[in-house]
Amino acid sequence: EAQVTQNPRYLITVTGKKLTVTCSQNMNHEYMSWYRQDPGLGLRQIYYSMNVEVTDKGDVPEGYKVSRKEKRNFPLILESPSPNQTSLYFCASSLPPGLAESGDYEQYFGPGTRLTVT
Amino acid sequence: GNSVTQMEGPVTLSEEAFLTINCTYTATGYPSLFWYVQYPGEGLQLLLKATKADDKGSNKGFEATYRKETTSFHLEKGSVQVSDSAVYFCALRSGGTSYGKLTFGQGTILTVHP
Repeated sequence: EAQVTQNPRYLITVTGKKLTVTCSQNMNHEYMSWYRQDPGLGLRQIYYSMNVEVTDKGDVPEGYKVSRKEKRNFPLILESPSPNQTSLYFCASSLPPGLAESGDYEQYFGPGTRLTVT
Repeated sequence: GNSVTQMEGPVTLSEEAFLTINCTYTATGYPSLFWYVQYPGEGLQLLLKATKADDKGSNKGFEATYRKETTSFHLEKGSVQVSDSAVYFCALRSGGTSYGKLTFGQGTILTVHP
């Protein structure tokens, strides 16, 4: 089954304690992305990756890091979490730009990770 | 920069009522437009899309038409069901250096009562 998986699904942590949220996709997609969802703001992009070892900032990258050592995995790292990073996080992946230009484009989303930082 | 504005929610309807969720956008060039749906406790799923002006996207009884003259992509359904209760997001994707990035509206919560 084609899917994007995230772990953990729920996490409560304290300020300053480093954490990693994993994301993995089994569709051989080049493009992967992280979003955060906050009430009244919709989803905002944190970081994205066009391919292995190629990452770039989205709209709200402050306080986050990512890495892309393998095509299937795209972990999100919070080195020193703060309460304003309490949010619902989604990982997404999609077809490479070459196919996307043809209109055959869809981003597949993971189930989400609800993070609470106290 | 790009932006998407959705109608304020939440929206509460009775089963079989007509649904409209307004969506307008600001973008350079010719973006692709999408509606995503998020059911309780789940991630986002693509509901429908349109990649050029005057295209109509449709799926599961939902429709939306890409109107470049009014920069709109309103979502409609003729007869909603309880199972349509979810959060609906309008989004756009443009090219250039932000290739692949989706810009989302704030989401509209839809509740359908029997």
